[in-house]
Amino acid sequence: EIVLTQSPGTLSLSPGERATLSCRASQLFSSTYLAWYQQKPGQAPRLLIYGASSRATGIPDRFSGSGSGTDFTLSISRLEPDDIAVYYCQQFSTFGQGTKVEIK
Amino acid sequence: EVELLESGGGLVQPGGSLRLSCTASGFSFSSYGMSWVRQAPGKGLEWLSSISGTGSSTYYADSVKGRFSISRDNSKNTLFLEMNSLGAEDTAVYYCAKGRGVAARGNFDYWGQGTLVTVSS
Repeated sequence: EIVLTQSPGTLSLSPGERATLSCRASQLFSSTYLAWYQQKPGQAPRLLIYGASSRATGIPDRFSGSGSGTDFTLSISRLEPDDIAVYYCQQFSTFGQGTKVEIK
Repeated sequence: EVELLESGGGLVQPGGSLRLSCTASGFSFSSYGMSWVRQAPGKGLEWLSSISGTGSSTYYADSVKGRFSISRDNSKNTLFLEMNSLGAEDTAVYYCAKGRGVAARGNFDYWGQGTLVTVSS
């Protein structure tokens, strides 16, 4: 079973800065099934990115995904206060442990 | 508009059983795989089980295999999770999630708001 390891555990940035979140897999797999989700406090997760780099419906272009093989990245350009959340990567039956994004 | 509404959560004693339901609307239910994902208090997301659009394929996490059973009634646009032999470690918010295609496995483009299951005496 693939293990997804996310880093960092917590990211603290100022508004307007760029956030870079990492998701590393324990073995190679097709990027077709790599997704990123945003979960705000008290809410259900929301799909941001699927297929490693395709934005889901209604997701602003400040969010972008990249990567292949075992290394994947979620980038948030121009961080906004509304982006405070935990971000998870996922492949089939596996979720990463999450990266918490905080605003300084 | 896609909507997923979970129900059936609540307080159950250790060793007990519970049946969760997820009523779907706004899409062709039988054309999409569906899944259950849970989140223990203060913890991350844990995939539990998935079922294909036709119901012919099912998958389970090792942590629930043999205790939980996923099923669906496409005539009623409803997904189910039958949970038996519940323990304290099963205390969590349970989400149903819609797959992006008919296959059981994949990513989830819509999620319900979740239903809380508390296992305690």
